[in-house]
Amino acid sequence: GAGVSQSPRYKVAKRGQDVALRCDPISGHVSLFWYQQALGQGPEFLTYFQNEAQLDKSGLPSDRFFAERPEGSVSTLKIQRTQQEDSAVYLCASSLTGTGSDTQYFGPGTRLTVL
Amino acid sequence: DQQVKQNSPSLSVQEGRISILNCDYTNSMFDYFLWYKKYPAEGPTFLISISSIKDKNEDGRFTVFLNKSAKHLSLHIVPSQPGDSAVYFCAARDNTDKLIFGTGTRLQVFP
Repeated sequence: GAGVSQSPRYKVAKRGQDVALRCDPISGHVSLFWYQQALGQGPEFLTYFQNEAQLDKSGLPSDRFFAERPEGSVSTLKIQRTQQEDSAVYLCASSLTGTGSDTQYFGPGTRLTVL
Repeated sequence: DQQVKQNSPSLSVQEGRISILNCDYTNSMFDYFLWYKKYPAEGPTFLISISSIKDKNEDGRFTVFLNKSAKHLSLHIVPSQPGDSAVYFCAARDNTDKLIFGTGTRLQVFP
């Protein structure tokens, strides 16, 4: 079966532009997570959905970051007025329930470069 | 304040030998630990996990050991193969279900 997919795989934006990153989770997975991975670092949590409900957005670095999952499936991470420090790989993960010993499966990521 | 630490950024091991990757954590509330493997331009791939109520979990060539009193876990790969060359991330889950990752260890297995 298909894994987690993300698009675009690469995105170059000029400082100040808005970007939208898409995540298609594994079909039937209830939980969806977004992580940000800076160069040479491990992934860092951004936000978490269970179905369409955003249960935790404590990792979003600023109010320029916004995520949604309106129908409980596909999710979009939007970054407004991008800054150079937003350059990173944005990873999406999904899990069946998101709780207990459930495994999070990751997509390939979107590499965002802000010039 | 890094809650999950991988102090060795890189490790080089000969094919057929054992690879040991280490991870330390600070939060005693973590209840589940995972290892992910990452190739360039791909997302992390789940490798093996362990619950905080266990001290060992084995899956083929991969074994994870957990020492709760020392807040330390390790991943053993034996025998190591060239295809194991990748970056390995240790992760811990807190009670909010998000994963907290270490900074990774790059393993290189040479012939």
